[in-house]
This record gives sequence, structure tokens and C-alpha cells, in this order.
Amino acid sequence: KQEVTQIPAALSVPEGENLVLNCSFTDSAIYNLQWFRQDPGKGLTSLLLIQSSQREQTSGRLNASLDKSSGRSTLYIAASQPGDSATYLCAVRPTAAGNKLTFGGGTRVLVKP
Amino acid sequence: DAGVTQSPTHLIKTRGQQVTLRCSPKSGHDTVSWYQQALGQGPQFIFQYYEEEERQRGNFPDRFSGHQFPNYSSELNVNALLLGDSALYLCASSLAGGRETQYFGPGTRLLVL
Repeated sequence: KQEVTQIPAALSVPEGENLVLNCSFTDSAIYNLQWFRQDPGKGLTSLLLIQSSQREQTSGRLNASLDKSSGRSTLYIAASQPGDSATYLCAVRPTAAGNKLTFGGGTRVLVKP
Repeated sequence: DAGVTQSPTHLIKTRGQQVTLRCSPKSGHDTVSWYQQALGQGPQFIFQYYEEEERQRGNFPDRFSGHQFPNYSSELNVNALLLGDSALYLCASSLAGGRETQYFGPGTRLLVL
């Protein structure tokens, strides 16, 4: 059974500092991995999607890496801003057939001005 | 183009009652998945509908049931509500067999008293 873990559960940094968020998963047989952002009480917004054959994906200030063999992914957010304050969730999709996602518990980020 | 929509936004029920939540997928999508997100946790997969049939199911009791209509919209029904059913219920849509991300709706907040 796939388990996804995100450590730390919460993180507080001053504005301008780089953020490093970690995600680990127990079964390396994944189809892809996604990072989502969730604002309080809201739905999920997809940030980056990494296919199993890829090592990383980049979008603006965001960069996500994937190491399938070690069961790890890292989301880097450069030069953090107060607007980056949110909960960040990673999720793995096990197969091409079916879209079931297994989520981690999330990391709650606070960027202080 | 409207994204994924869900109704209602909030709902209060008492133990033992039944509830129906609704979801309209993003235009062009044919697959709908439902997730339950308890406070402070990551979303948990409930089930997925494609071609009006349940295709995958997570570890949820039979009190949780669903339906998909010919226009791809979907309902989630929960019978005999328990206090522990209080959560944010998220709907996600996608294209069957697609590699892209799922698109999530804003969720329905259910409170069971």
C-alpha cells in the first residue's frame, strides 16, 4: 500500500528566503507525482506535475525534483513571498489506468513579511 | 470556460441523516473522482466514476455511494451520517487515460452535528 509523507508539517520563514518542501513515498512504482497548493478552506491548485520518466519540472520560481529510486520529491520555492503562504500537498498517481491520487498530509507554510 | 464546480459550498447535517453533494466537471472531461479531506489532513480517495460506472474505490464504507450522469456530472451520497464524516469533500475531473493533472473544485464543507 502506497504511503506518502510530508515533513515538516509546518514551516515558517521570513520573506525572501528559499523554501524547501519534502515528500517521500513508499512504493517507487508510480506513474507521476504532483505538487498542489491549497489555501485555507479552498480546493487544490496544481503547481507542478512530474512524470515518472522525468527528474524535475520548473515553473517560474517553483522547481520540483523527483528521485523515484529513493522515493523522494522536493519542491523548491525561490525568494518566498507572503502570498506563498498556504498548504502544499504532494500526491502520487500509481498507474496510467485510473486517476486515483494518494496524498501526503501537507506542509503548512507561513511566509512572514 | 468554467472549471470544476461543486454545490453546495457548505452544509450542516445531524447524525443519521443523509446528504447529497454535486459536482460538474471541467468542460471536456469525462472522469470524476471524489476525495474526503478531514481538517489538517491530506485528501483521501473515495471513488472514481467513468462512463457512468464506479471504476475505482478507496477504503470507504458502503454508506458512501455515487452516481455519474450522461453529461459527466456526478453526485456523492452519504447515508447514516457520523460525526467523523465532517470534512471538506473535493471533486476532481480529468480525461480518461490522460497524462494531465486532475482539476479540483472548491469543495463542499460538511459539518455533522
